[in-house]
Amino acid sequence: DARVTQTPRDKVTEMGQEVTMRCQPILGHNTVFWYRQTMMQGLELLAYFRNRAPLDDSGMPKDRFSAEMPDATLATLKIQPSEPRDSAVYFCASGPGTYTGELFFGEGSRLTVL
Amino acid sequence: AQSVTQLGSHVSVSEGALVLLRCNYSSSVPPYLFWYVQYPNQGLQLLLKYTSAATLVKGINGFEAEFKKSETSFHLTKPSAHMSDAAEYFCAVSPKLNYGGSQGNLIFGKGTKLSVKP
Repeated sequence: DARVTQTPRDKVTEMGQEVTMRCQPILGHNTVFWYRQTMMQGLELLAYFRNRAPLDDSGMPKDRFSAEMPDATLATLKIQPSEPRDSAVYFCASGPGTYTGELFFGEGSRLTVL
Repeated sequence: AQSVTQLGSHVSVSEGALVLLRCNYSSSVPPYLFWYVQYPNQGLQLLLKYTSAATLVKGINGFEAEFKKSETSFHLTKPSAHMSDAAEYFCAVSPKLNYGGSQGNLIFGKGTKLSVKP
C-alpha cells in the first residue's frame, strides 16, 4: 500500500532549537509539497518541488525555513531557529504529476515549540 | 488569485440525514476541483475530484459532488449520514494553465467540520 511517510509524527522542542522534518514521497511521484496547518490559518502552502527542483517557496519564511530534496525519496523541511509561532502540523504531500494535479498526503508532523 | 470559500466552519446533522457541504471557487476559468476528508490526527484523504468530464462526480464512502459552472460551486453531498462520516472536509482547487494542465499546487478552503448526532 503506497503512502507518503513523514517523520517525526510528534516533536516538542524549545524556542531557538533546530527542527528537521522528513518526508518520503510515494515511489514514482514527481511532485512534493509541504503544507502547514493551524487553527487560525488553515492549510498553507509552504513550498513545492517538481522533479526535485524547487518551483515555489513563496509561502515560506525564508529567514528561518528551508526545504530541500536531496534525492527522489527524501524531502526535508528545516526550521532554524524555531519559534513558538511555528507550532503547527506540517504535512507533506506527493503527486504523480498528472494533468489534474491531485495530491496524496502523509499523516503529518505535529510540532510544538515551547 | 484563486480562492476557495467553504460556507460554514461547522455543520451538524443527525445520523441518516442528508449531508450538504458547500464550496465555491473564484475563477473565470473553471479549475480542477477536489474534496478531501481529514479524520482526527490523520492526513488528508482524497474523496473525489472533478476534471471536466461528468459534472456529477461520485467518490468514496457514498459521497458525491456536482460541478455547477454558472454558480462557481462544487458542493459535496451524501444522502444519509453515518457516524463514521464525522470529520473535517476540505474543498480544494488546482488552477489550470493555458494548455489545460494543472498548475501543480492545490489551494484549500478553510474546511468544514461535520458532526453526526446519533
